[in-house]
This record gives sequence, C-alpha cells and structure tokens, in this order.
Amino acid sequence: SQQGEEDPQALSIQEGENATMNCSYKTSINNLQWYRQNSGRGLVHLILIRSNEREKHSGRLRVTLDTSKKSSSLLITASRAADTASYFCATVAPSGNTPLVFGKGTRLSVIA
Amino acid sequence: NAGVTQTPKFQVLKTGQSMTLQCAQDMNHNSMYWYRQDPGMGLRLIYYSASEGTTDKGEVPNGYNVSRLNKREFSLRLESAAPSQTSVYFCASIPQISAGYGYTFGSGTRLTVV
Repeated sequence: SQQGEEDPQALSIQEGENATMNCSYKTSINNLQWYRQNSGRGLVHLILIRSNEREKHSGRLRVTLDTSKKSSSLLITASRAADTASYFCATVAPSGNTPLVFGKGTRLSVIA
Repeated sequence: NAGVTQTPKFQVLKTGQSMTLQCAQDMNHNSMYWYRQDPGMGLRLIYYSASEGTTDKGEVPNGYNVSRLNKREFSLRLESAAPSQTSVYFCASIPQISAGYGYTFGSGTRLTVV
C-alpha cells in the first residue's frame, strides 16, 4: 500500500519561481527519499534524508523532514524548464532492511 | 555506462502469452527490485532480491515469478499475461538493502497486454 502522499498532485509555475512539493506518510521511517522522473524515463534519485535529520540541501534542492508531523517537503529554487517532471517521495521502514515504498507523485510543469 | 539495463523497452503481448523481462546491473550491487508503474498509482513493488540466492514478494506479486540468475541479473516472468498487467515495469538496484542508499533505476519496459 502507498506510504507517502504527495501534495499537490500537479503544480504549474513560471520559470524562475520556486516550487514546493509536500509528502505526508503514515508510519515511522528510517529515511525518506525524493526521486525525479522525466516523461517516459526511469526514476532518478535526488536526495535522501534520515529520520534524525531536519534539513538537507543539494544544489537548488532543499528537503525538510518533520517526523512529528510525518511530513517532508521538497523545495526547488529558481526553477527551470528542465525541472519539468514528476517528483516522488519514498520511505524506508525503521528497520532499514525493507524496500522503498513510493507515493503517487507530484507532476511539476515549469513554463518558460 | 554503468547502470541498470532493462530489455526489451517495449512489448505487446496477447492475453495468455508468456514473456520474461530482463534486468542487469554492472555496479556490483547486492539488492535488486522490480516495480510496476500505473497511471495515478505511483510505483508498486512486485518482487525483490535482497542478495544473490534470495527473493521475496512485494505488494503485488500475483501473476509474476522472478529469478535471481546471478549477482548481475534479476528477471521477471509473466507466465500467462493478462490485460491487468499492462504497465510500465522498472528494475532497480542498490549496493545492499540496509538503509542509506538511493536506488538506481533502469529506463523501464512498457508492456501492453491485449
């Protein structure tokens, strides 16, 4: 069953704006990961944040994790047309020895 | 280029036909996974192999079998294809199943069952 739920389901912004996507999950986690999927392609790993971390950065990406609210957010700053893709959050159970469970994704469109 | 290779990229089957989806990785990873992706459903786990010689069911294993042929290769077999198995299939791998690794995905196999 789906663990993460992304919000919104779809987001459309202008190039140069920031994009924020949210992920809520149901049960405790070991870590949470974000992936990008361009149309017709495989998923690409973006960033991993562990349950004892609150924030991580990677280039124009900023991920936060609030374990008390069971939620995470992905912020893409200064978006580009090339950021147009679907973004998925995925979680690993506390044991750490189980496969990723994915949410349904947010479809981001960046308009030039 | 190092990564996960899936074959074929596209396939059309008739109901009742069988086929095997191939997946190979050249990163010396121990753990491999098969997911399916349907519109609006995200990715759902079919089977996985934590290490060579082991396989385990995921969320949606019915109608599928898997073989971990060696450390590099993990195949997914549909014995009698059904229209409900129309989907995009992704293979992925990580160094080992313990926490802390991002998955490397193949480019997918788009399967249509008519």
